[in-house]
Amino acid sequence: KQEVTQIPAALSVPEGENLVLNCSFTDSAIYNLQWFRQDPGKGLTSLLLIQSSQREQTSGRLNASLDKSSGRSTLYIAASQPGDSATYLCAVVNSGYALNFGKGTSLLVTP
Amino acid sequence: NAGVMQNPRHLVRRRGQEARLRCSPVKGHSHVYWYRQLPEEGLKFMVYLQKENIIDESGMPKERFSAEFPKEGPSILRIQQVVRGDSAAYFCASSRKGAGDTEAFFGQGTRLTVV
Repeated sequence: KQEVTQIPAALSVPEGENLVLNCSFTDSAIYNLQWFRQDPGKGLTSLLLIQSSQREQTSGRLNASLDKSSGRSTLYIAASQPGDSATYLCAVVNSGYALNFGKGTSLLVTP
Repeated sequence: NAGVMQNPRHLVRRRGQEARLRCSPVKGHSHVYWYRQLPEEGLKFMVYLQKENIIDESGMPKERFSAEFPKEGPSILRIQQVVRGDSAAYFCASSRKGAGDTEAFFGQGTRLTVV
């Protein structure tokens, strides 16, 4: 059974810092990995999708890497802003359709 | 382009009543998934549907819960005889192909409160 773990569970940083969120998964036979953002009381916003054959994806200030063999992914956020405050969720797909989610990292960026 | 639309956003039901949650996928998407998020828990897969077919319902409780995705109209998640433990946020996602191939997009969720 796939287990997805996200570390740290919570993170508070001052505005402008670069930061790294970690995601690990136990079963490396994944199809893809997706990072989401969830604001309080809201839905999920897709940030980046990395296919199993890819090593990284970039979108603006976000960069996600994937090391499938070691079961790890990182989300790098450059020059953090207060508007980045949210919960960041990592999810992997094993059997072709169901996303397996971690419990998320709650990020607070202070002005 | 409209994203995944879920309604209602908030739903309050008394114990024993029925809850019907609706999800309209992104236009052109024929794959729909339902997830449940309990307080302080991660999102858990419930059911995967394609038009008129349930592909995998392994994450859905065997009793009281059902889902459909008819040829016309939205996908419906139905919970009969709700209990307090059903209180949660229910999210619908859609994708153009199976989630193993393409990006999944989520709706804003329906927050069900059972009183």
